Amino acid sequence: DVKVTQSSRYLVKRTGEKVFLECVQDMDHENMFWYRQDPGLGLRLIYFSYDVKMKEKGDIPEGYSVSREKKERFSLILESASTNQTSMYLCASSLIPTGGGKTQYFGPGTRLLVL
Amino acid sequence: DAKTTQPPSMDCAEGRAANLPCNHSTISGNEYVYWYRQIHSQGPQYIIHGLKNNETNEMASLIITEDRKSSTLILPHATLRDTAVYYCIVRSSNTGNQFYFGTGTSLTVIP
Repeated sequence: DVKVTQSSRYLVKRTGEKVFLECVQDMDHENMFWYRQDPGLGLRLIYFSYDVKMKEKGDIPEGYSVSREKKERFSLILESASTNQTSMYLCASSLIPTGGGKTQYFGPGTRLLVL
Repeated sequence: DAKTTQPPSMDCAEGRAANLPCNHSTISGNEYVYWYRQIHSQGPQYIIHGLKNNETNEMASLIITEDRKSSTLILPHATLRDTAVYYCIVRSSNTGNQFYFGTGTSLTVIP
């Protein structure tokens, strides 16, 4: 079974803090993704990566950065956390960069509260 | 990607089959139909996907109409653990990389 793990299930941070969310997948997938999920807005793509050290902006990259130093690990960084970044953060991975029929597998999510 | 329409909520008796419908009348020939579900406060879980043939796996069956304008996800023997929000997603091979999750169907399995 594909396994995508995220470093924390729940996180509470203060405004202005630098926040690191880590994601690890064990299936040698090339593609990894970071989404955030908010009530009424569905899932929105923040960043994705199709290879080590490669990254592409999604729909809402402002206020975030990412790092992919190893194939299995994709980190999301909130440079200076703000209250509007309170959300559920979901990491996903998939086998091939593009193409229909290629499933994305999601981690359990990190619920971040910024005070 | 084609837009999908799902009923906002459904109930199903435990042990009975749950049939979740999805309309995707604007689907094009290279678009796949995916189903995911999300149990409260967890990440979305992949269930099944298909292009035009019916598909079955250990979790569910996917029935796609001949004209591909609609599909039905079938959970053959619903359990309380199947209570979740179910998302029908249509995605083409030419799409960018993300999945667009709509509002889905909230399925409640009743004892």
